[in-house]
Amino acid sequence: GQQLNQSPQSMFIQEGEDVSMNCTSSSIFNTWLWYKQDPGEGPVLLIALYKAGELTSNGRLTAQFGITRKDSFLNISASIPSDVGIYFCAGANAGGTSYGKLTFGQGTILTVHP
Amino acid sequence: EAGVAQSPRYKIIEKRQSVAFWCNPISGHATLYWYQQILGQGPKLLIQFQNNGVVDDSQLPKDRFSAERLKGVDSTLKIQPAKLEDSAVYLCASSMDTLNIQYFGAGTRLSVL
Repeated sequence: GQQLNQSPQSMFIQEGEDVSMNCTSSSIFNTWLWYKQDPGEGPVLLIALYKAGELTSNGRLTAQFGITRKDSFLNISASIPSDVGIYFCAGANAGGTSYGKLTFGQGTILTVHP
Repeated sequence: EAGVAQSPRYKIIEKRQSVAFWCNPISGHATLYWYQQILGQGPKLLIQFQNNGVVDDSQLPKDRFSAERLKGVDSTLKIQPAKLEDSAVYLCASSMDTLNIQYFGAGTRLSVL
């Protein structure tokens, strides 16, 4: 089956630093999503990408859909303490029986030191 | 707009017991998903409903897990009998559109002793 590999597995940074994490797949996706999960909560959608090469921003977050359709990255600029959490990438292929089915990476744990 | 509601938030049971989880999706969302999230991993899809029909249950351990979505709104996920390896967070999600935007509930944390 499809596998998503996220890196790094964890990051420890100082407040104000920029963060970069990425996700690679063994298969092609036509949709990439980035979620954040806080302790005791469900994942919350940060950014959705639908087109190869697409670059999308949401405040201090920027994500890109790789041109090979097998990878995506997420950048966080000027990190703040509330950025702490687990970041998941997810890929999907809309259409047919796989409509809506997300495959998740294993997550990147982000710790921000004040 | 109310989000995806799940209950209970926590459940502790002994192995071989039965347990059930409940989910109420966002109003108007036709698609409902149940995921299993083991500690340290991303969510893994167990079953997907479109209205009250099953679209994908290929990853559901059908010998012990069952799910239903009567009337195409609320859903229940049942485990009978539970095993130690079923300890995980069970997440429910729903979506409305064709762009795979899924909204998640807070989950039910299950501990099997």
